[in-house]
Amino acid sequence: RKEVEQDPGPFNVPEGATVAFNCTYSNSASQSFFWYRQDCRKEPKLLMSVYSSGNEDGRFTAQLNRASQYISLLIRDSKLSDSATYLCVAYSGNTGKLIFGQGTTLQVKP
Amino acid sequence: GAVVSQHPSRVICKSGTSVKIECRSLDFQATTMFWYRQFPKQSLMLMATSNEGSKATYEQGVEKDKFLINHASLTLSTLTVTSAHPEDSSFYICSARGTGTQPQHFGDGTRLSIL
Repeated sequence: RKEVEQDPGPFNVPEGATVAFNCTYSNSASQSFFWYRQDCRKEPKLLMSVYSSGNEDGRFTAQLNRASQYISLLIRDSKLSDSATYLCVAYSGNTGKLIFGQGTTLQVKP
Repeated sequence: GAVVSQHPSRVICKSGTSVKIECRSLDFQATTMFWYRQFPKQSLMLMATSNEGSKATYEQGVEKDKFLINHASLTLSTLTVTSAHPEDSSFYICSARGTGTQPQHFGDGTRLSIL
């Protein structure tokens, strides 16, 4: 079983739609979580950190449920420029390692 | 913000060639550097972790004699793919981190194609 699992998609949505991505992790010792965005053939870029209390950054909302070992990302009012692959990432402070999920591909259509 | 430069960005070479990829932290001292590999439609897989001045720690299944890592200074780490074969074709990405709990900063990646 992969340590961080995501539905690879693709998710095809119209502009303006709200879309949600889910992620589960298996290592309960993971301490921090992040969503990264990766455009085709580019390096991943940090989108936002994820906190148990939930956090919002503009149109993006991230949520962590430690009991269920579940992480989510909600994108409201999708833009064409949101088309990318979204990577769910777990960080272990003990090892200093980032563990990446496979990524979920989002395609926003006009 | 912190910048990590990776070079070259693209390499195409014949089977059997050894390829060196450089990863530089431009405006901070990187005590730890990480090397990842990403095959198409797959996640980034950590290959190895290197701390300045010491031997790299390789993940399970990664051949240390095949993927030579050198982290001789606080701003430079190199990954050498020795005697590369077509199955080594992939996207290689480095990241660098300063001290303590500072975040990792990623390089632009190197797309390696072995013919």
